[in-house]
Amino acid sequence: DAKTTQPPSMDCAEGRAANLPCNHSTISGNEYVYWYRQIHSQGPQYIIHGLKNNETNEMASLIITEDRKSSTLILPHATLRDTAVYYCIVRVLGSNYQLIWGAGTKLIIKP
Amino acid sequence: GAVVSQHPSRVICKSGTSVKIECRSLDFQATTMFWYRQFPKQSLMLMATSNEGSKATYEQGVEKDKFLINHASLTLSTLTVTSAHPEDSSFYICSAPTSVHEQFFGPGTRLTVL
Repeated sequence: DAKTTQPPSMDCAEGRAANLPCNHSTISGNEYVYWYRQIHSQGPQYIIHGLKNNETNEMASLIITEDRKSSTLILPHATLRDTAVYYCIVRVLGSNYQLIWGAGTKLIIKP
Repeated sequence: GAVVSQHPSRVICKSGTSVKIECRSLDFQATTMFWYRQFPKQSLMLMATSNEGSKATYEQGVEKDKFLINHASLTLSTLTVTSAHPEDSSFYICSAPTSVHEQFFGPGTRLTVL
């Protein structure tokens, strides 16, 4: 699975959009991009995934560049409860459901 | 969404004792579950893949005789830390996939070995 690079930390004001970048320049054509988050002392939570089209659900939007070498997770109206570590993971679909976790981005939402 | 529970949420034990952690899928069946370990300020590290009806698959460097995994049914996997030592103190998390794209995680178990 391709490696991802994320900034170690970011701040965002409450109510504003939080844009979390992820670089996956070695991604291959059959690898999906997944985003999970982990609130302190809790298990991770699935947010969204995509292959090449932009995706949106009730939690967030995922924007994938045309060359698929990077993506951005957007939390449209960040709240204090969105403070967490956000993980961008790239994975090939298959019988193996394993996820390889990087260091993630610590997002702090400030009032 | 689907729910995965873990029990206990927190356990403190003496060095040399064994500790069992349960992971249950409450509203779906899971033929596969994953066990992770997370040390403070670090990311999740996959320990093993628990398979219902067959032996668990352990990641390199994880001692299978120390971390016993039993996938007793389609909704229950257990991790037993045998002869626990202070260096085994960590946050243990399980997960179960509900589709090829989505996994649900338990709330984690904080193990402290004195």
